[in-house]
This record gives sequence, C-alpha cells and structure tokens, in this order.
Amino acid sequence: EVQLLESGGGLVQPGGSLRLSCAASGFTFSSYAMSWVRQAPGKGLEWVSAISGSDGGTYYADSVKGRFTISRDNSKNTLYLQMNSLRAEDTAIYYCAKLRGAVGGTWFDYWGQGTLVTVSS
Amino acid sequence: DIQMTQSPSSLSASVGDRVTITCRASQSIASYLNWYQQKPGKAPNLLIFAASSLQSGVPSRFSGSGSGTDFTLTISSLQPEDFATYYCQQSYSTPLTFGGGTKVEIK
Repeated sequence: EVQLLESGGGLVQPGGSLRLSCAASGFTFSSYAMSWVRQAPGKGLEWVSAISGSDGGTYYADSVKGRFTISRDNSKNTLYLQMNSLRAEDTAIYYCAKLRGAVGGTWFDYWGQGTLVTVSS
Repeated sequence: DIQMTQSPSSLSASVGDRVTITCRASQSIASYLNWYQQKPGKAPNLLIFAASSLQSGVPSRFSGSGSGTDFTLTISSLQPEDFATYYCQQSYSTPLTFGGGTKVEIK
C-alpha cells in the first residue's frame, strides 16, 4: 500500500524558513517523480514543485522559484521542500504527491494527508 | 503558462442527476488532462487520467472526454458521496496547472 506522510509544517514568521519532509513507502521511490502541491485556506490547488525520480531534475512554479528548493533522498525514501524567505501568501496546506511516471505527461496518483504551513507574525 | 478554466465554479444538483463539468485549456494539451475529487478536510483523489481513463477503484458513473482544449467530466447518476469539489489539471507542460475547481452541492 502506497503511503505518503508529510511532516515539518507549523507557524513561522515572515522571512523565516521551514523544511517539509515526506516519507514514502509501498512503492519503489527512486523510480517515480514526486511533487509538492499546496492549497491556501478556502482556495484551490496550486502546484509548487516537482523532482524527477531518475536524474533528479527539478521544476518550480514562478511563485516559489528562488525561494523554495525541492530535493529527495532515495536511500531514505524521503522527499523534502526547503522553504526560505516565507511570505504570508505561502500560508497553505502542503501536500506531497506521487507522479505516475515522469514529471510531464502523467498524473498525481497518490497524495499525502498534507501539512499546514502558517506564515504570520 | 497554460491556464485551465473550469465551469461552472459551483452547481447544485440532486441525487440521481447527471452532472457535467467542463474544463478549457488556454492552448492545446492533447489528452494530457486529469480530474481529481476533493472532499472537505481531505487530500485530492484521482478520478480520471489522460482525459478519459478511469482510475482503478473509481466508480464507473464517472467518465471523462475531450482532447485539445476542451474537456468534460460527467457523473452519470450523482450519489450522496459525490458531493465534493472537482479539479482538472494539465500535465502537458510545466508549470503543471489546475483549474479553479467546481463545487458540487446538494440541491
């Protein structure tokens, strides 16, 4: 059974940093691209970032480019999102999601339960 | 970036109704279109991938169609558990983008 378990969310001040983790199990982690998708309170879904399974290529939404860094440790079956220079508009539930194959041309077939990030003074 | 526009943004329907939700892409995305269902307080759940393929375990009352720029999600006979918000998403190119969502409410 595929499981994705996010952690690391919490309250942080504007300009601060936070590191999210997503522990994966139930599939060959290194074979699949992974992604972060967020949802601001009462709003729709917004793709944040993705990372390839094979070559580790990374992709970002313009809204987080230069501030967020996605990475993965295939030996630990864990996905990360390092978030720096956080802004109030980054407040959201952050979901870890598995892609069916590569980053493009596929779909999010499994999602974690999400972790809440609140950016406020 | 490819913009995804869903309509309507919300609808009210009764159990047993046929419901259709549309999604339009700002440029051709071939069949790289996926649909998700999200219930309050829960993560999204994949319903349809590649425009018309039903995800394993999803009831057959859900179906998808379309290609190019225009797509539809149809629920043939709405059930109580189908009241939720539905999102389309394109995977043709990055940035991956979602539609704004369609909230299906009980009439």
